[in-house]
Amino acid sequence: QVQLVESGGGVVQPGRSLRLSCAASGFSFSSYGMYWVRQAPGKGLEWLTIISYDGEKKNYADSVKGRFTISRDNSKNTLYLQISNLRPEDTAVYYCAKDILGGSPWHFLDYWGQGTLVIVSS
Amino acid sequence: EIVLTQSPATLSLSPGERATLSCRASQNILNYLAWYQQKPGQAPRLLIYDASNRANDIPARFSGSGSGTDFTLTISRLEPEDFAVYYCQQRGNWPPITFGQGTRLEI
Repeated sequence: QVQLVESGGGVVQPGRSLRLSCAASGFSFSSYGMYWVRQAPGKGLEWLTIISYDGEKKNYADSVKGRFTISRDNSKNTLYLQISNLRPEDTAVYYCAKDILGGSPWHFLDYWGQGTLVIVSS
Repeated sequence: EIVLTQSPATLSLSPGERATLSCRASQNILNYLAWYQQKPGQAPRLLIYDASNRANDIPARFSGSGSGTDFTLTISRLEPEDFAVYYCQQRGNWPPITFGQGTRLEI
């Protein structure tokens, strides 16, 4: 079955950097676009970024452009999110998710990981 | 950026009743809308995509309808496990993908 397992969250000071990982299994990871979505405590869902199945195309929400970098290693079935210059407002649960369609993404997210909590605080 | 507005913010119903949740888009998004369910402490779960297609393993009591700017998620007979927060999401004009603010369905 499809599994997505995030890791790398924790408490980090403002201005520091962090790399989140998402280990995928149960499907052909290299065939699907992948996403990061976050959810601040008690708030709604915010799309952050998408990467194409081959890693060639990436898009970012304006709110994180320039500070967040998505990448993937298809040989390791792993998705990454590098976050730099962390701010208190980045405090959230970060989810990775899989596109519903292989190849060109359809931009609906059919499987999600359980999330990893990032707390930005001094 | 397309804004999705969900109503009501909170819906109070009882098991066995019918639930109707609404999502309105600020622009025409054709049928490019999905619905997700999220329970406390859990990740979102895809229910409906392309406005009316049920995702894998989603019970038939969940149905979606609408096109253009007005969309509806209907739960025909509420089960105890259906009480959760529901989000709509559009891909009609991306980037960005956007989500509605959510509707809390409570007992």
